[in-house]
Formats: sequence, C-alpha cells, structure tokens
Amino acid sequence: DQQVKQNSPSLSVQEGRISILNCDYTNSMFDYFLWYKKYPAEGPTFLISISSIKDKNEDGRFTVFLNKSAKHLSLHIVPSQPGDSAVYFCAAAPQGGSEKLVFGKGTKLTVNP
Amino acid sequence: AAGVIQSPRHLIKEKRETATLKCYPIPRHDTVYWYQQGPGQDPQFLISFYEKMQSDKGSIPDRFSAQQFSDYHSELNMSSLELGDSALYFCASSSRGLGNTIYFGEGSWLTVV
Repeated sequence: DQQVKQNSPSLSVQEGRISILNCDYTNSMFDYFLWYKKYPAEGPTFLISISSIKDKNEDGRFTVFLNKSAKHLSLHIVPSQPGDSAVYFCAAAPQGGSEKLVFGKGTKLTVNP
Repeated sequence: AAGVIQSPRHLIKEKRETATLKCYPIPRHDTVYWYQQGPGQDPQFLISFYEKMQSDKGSIPDRFSAQQFSDYHSELNMSSLELGDSALYFCASSSRGLGNTIYFGEGSWLTVV
C-alpha cells in the first residue's frame, strides 16, 4: 500500500520552461513533506520542505505547493536547467517529526537543452 | 559543511556472509536513520536511533541489527546475507533542535554474490 504516490515515473521538459512534479499522499497523519533530488549511485539531496501549516514554500527556482484537502503537493522548478535532470523523490513524515520518512517511487526528470 | 559519511562505499560479499556498514552523522545531529534502496525501488526505512536509543523500526529483517554509539556514529550489521540484500544502503541524520530535516549520505553499495 503506497502511502506516497508519484504517478509520473518520468517527465521531460525543455530548458527554460517550468517543470512540475506531482505527489499525492493517503495518510492524513502526514504533516511534513520534503522533496529530494537523486543522481544515480548517490544519496538523496534535500531540496525543499513544507509543513502542513503552510501552502507554499519557495527557495530560489524551487517552489513547493501543498493542498491539504486534496492530499496533494507539487514541486515547481522554474526555469528548468539541464543540471536539474535527476530523479526527484517526494517524502512525507507523520506528525511530531520526520523520523520515519515515507518515500514515493520517484519521478525521473529530464531537462533537454 | 560536513555531510553524512558512510563507509565503505562499495562492498561485495558472498551469500551467508556478514557485512557491516558504518555511518557518521552530521556533527550535532542526534538522530540516525538507515534506509535500503533496491534496484528500481524507492528508499525503504529500516531503523532509526535517537540519542543512541532505537527510536523506530521499519522493514528491517531479523538478520539485520544496528546500533548507535556514544560518538553518535551508527553501524548496520547484516548477517546470513542473501542475494536479495544487494542494494544501496543509505544512512541519514537529523537534529530535532535544528529543523529536523533529514540529510542523506552517499550510500553504501552492497552486492551479494
């Protein structure tokens, strides 16, 4: 039973355009969400997070939106760059802390020059 | 800034052998996590330690054990290795007093032959 779902295994966008990566969750106890970027054979790199008290968090080219009623979050990258090409994992943590992250299966983003 | 250090980066073992992975968390981080990522899979939570005590347990086989030492480094011990244990093992750390974001190491590749 996948509690965190990333329904698009891959996404391809043109350099300079916006990349939108989506994530849905089923567990209403989740209240802290993170996005990680991962290159092959490397550890996930933390990108950005959002807690359930917010609906938007922005950090440079990365913005995460949270829609609690829909149990949906998205990561926007604008403008997309070829170096953004990687697998992006959505992760969620229950109330009280991020001790046990539950990951989605990841979306492979390819940004074409 | 110092990151999570894992060793060894690569390890090849035969079936039924034992392997030990080491993790050195980011300084001042009090929580360590172990995740397993099989080929084509999302990272799966194995176990975590807070202040040297086991804080949570996920899908860790009985053949595996882990501990966190007084210097906060952690070791994951895997015995009676099976072919299916071949995976990338990530260690991560966080601090409850520093935002609680989880940061991952580069991972240790275990290949069981």
